Amino acid sequence: IVLTQSPGTLSLSPGERATLSCRASQSVNSNYLAWYQQKPGQAPRLLIYGASSRATGIPDRFSGSGSGTDFTLTISRLEPEDFAMYFCQQYGTSPALTFGGGTKVEIK
Amino acid sequence: EVQLVQSGAEVKKPGESLKISCKGSGYSFTIYWIGWVRQMPGKGLEWMGIIYPGDSDTRYSPSFQGQVTISADRSINTAYLQWSSLKASDTAIYYCARGGRRDFGYFDYWGQGSLVTVSS
Repeated sequence: IVLTQSPGTLSLSPGERATLSCRASQSVNSNYLAWYQQKPGQAPRLLIYGASSRATGIPDRFSGSGSGTDFTLTISRLEPEDFAMYFCQQYGTSPALTFGGGTKVEIK
Repeated sequence: EVQLVQSGAEVKKPGESLKISCKGSGYSFTIYWIGWVRQMPGKGLEWMGIIYPGDSDTRYSPSFQGQVTISADRSINTAYLQWSSLKASDTAIYYCARGGRRDFGYFDYWGQGSLVTVSS
């Protein structure tokens, strides 16, 4: 399964809403779709699993939605610490549990 | 507290072999899959393969099959990623991460990453 994330870069200001898209080349089994955040020099951090379930400790300004082939990560009001790279991953179809190419959320 | 602690940075020459490690603690190591993820300089994440330490069942991405070997020693809660002959294109950060219990799952805990530099 190929995951295509868009846009490649999102330029926004703190307090604005961010909407990130992840489109799959075929339906993702059981909506097994996760989102990760990665900051420079750090390992990725799990944000969302099962398309819409927040991981432990993740603020409720992060939400995931979607099913089938179209998924969205929404950050309701950007905080300064939210400017980072975001990757989606499908984990429903083996042998390779693919990642998307990433979206960079940068300060406008 | 769940932790995955990886071995340190390595600088190698093309053709050399290498084995990096990932030690788990704070959970039952044998009942969760452990995966490896590559991140080349300035690039995205690539899923390489995964192992179930309980019985060493191992699966590889077709892109990495035959290029690397994933193994685990459950007696010391450690997973490994190894190369028999490194190439310059293997230069990257390699992350281990904890997957699911019954299936591969998403990665909920990550190691800090191991930087591998291959240069003549």
